[in-house]
Amino acid sequence: EVQLMESGGGLVQPGGSRRLSCIGSGFTFSDYEMNWVRQAPGKGLEWISNISTSETVSGHADSVKGRFIISRDNAKNAVYLQMNNLRVEDTAVYYCATGGPCPSGVCQTVAYFQYWGQGTGVTVSS
Amino acid sequence: DIQMTQSPSTLSASVGDRVTITCRASQNINSLLAWYQQKPGKAPKLLIYKTSNLESGVPSRFSGSGGGTEFTLAISSLQPDDFATYYCQQYNSYSWTFGQGTKVEI
Repeated sequence: EVQLMESGGGLVQPGGSRRLSCIGSGFTFSDYEMNWVRQAPGKGLEWISNISTSETVSGHADSVKGRFIISRDNAKNAVYLQMNNLRVEDTAVYYCATGGPCPSGVCQTVAYFQYWGQGTGVTVSS
Repeated sequence: DIQMTQSPSTLSASVGDRVTITCRASQNINSLLAWYQQKPGKAPKLLIYKTSNLESGVPSRFSGSGGGTEFTLAISSLQPDDFATYYCQQYNSYSWTFGQGTKVEI
């Protein structure tokens, strides 16, 4: 059974930092690109970060570029999101999600979100 | 970024109804479109990828169609478990973007 388990959420002050973690199991972790998707309270879904299977290429939405950093450790089946200079508008549930299966490493055509974690909540407030 | 617009925003329906949700892209996305179902307090669930491919385990009453800039999710006979919010997502152009969601309610 595929499982993704996020952790690291909580209350943080504006301007603060937080690191989210996501551990995968039940699938070949290194065959999937990994993503973070967030959902503000009562709002829709927003993709924010993506990292390649090889750990070497990543991208971020403009809303978090320069503040958030995604990384992964295939040996630990883990993906991380380092969030810096947090703003009130970053308050959301943060989901990690896999792309589609991509053993070749060329993943554009499978960049949907196949498996999701249960989410971890981040509240930015003073 | 490519803008994704879903209609309607809310859909009132009954068990057994056929329902359709439309998703329009601001430019051609070459069939690289996915649909998700989300229930309150839960993570989204992938239903369909590449416009019309049903994810494993998803009931066959769900179907997707379309191309270019206009896409449709259809549910052939609405079941009680289908009352949820549905999102489309394009993955043709970085960064990936979602529609605003369609809530299917009784």
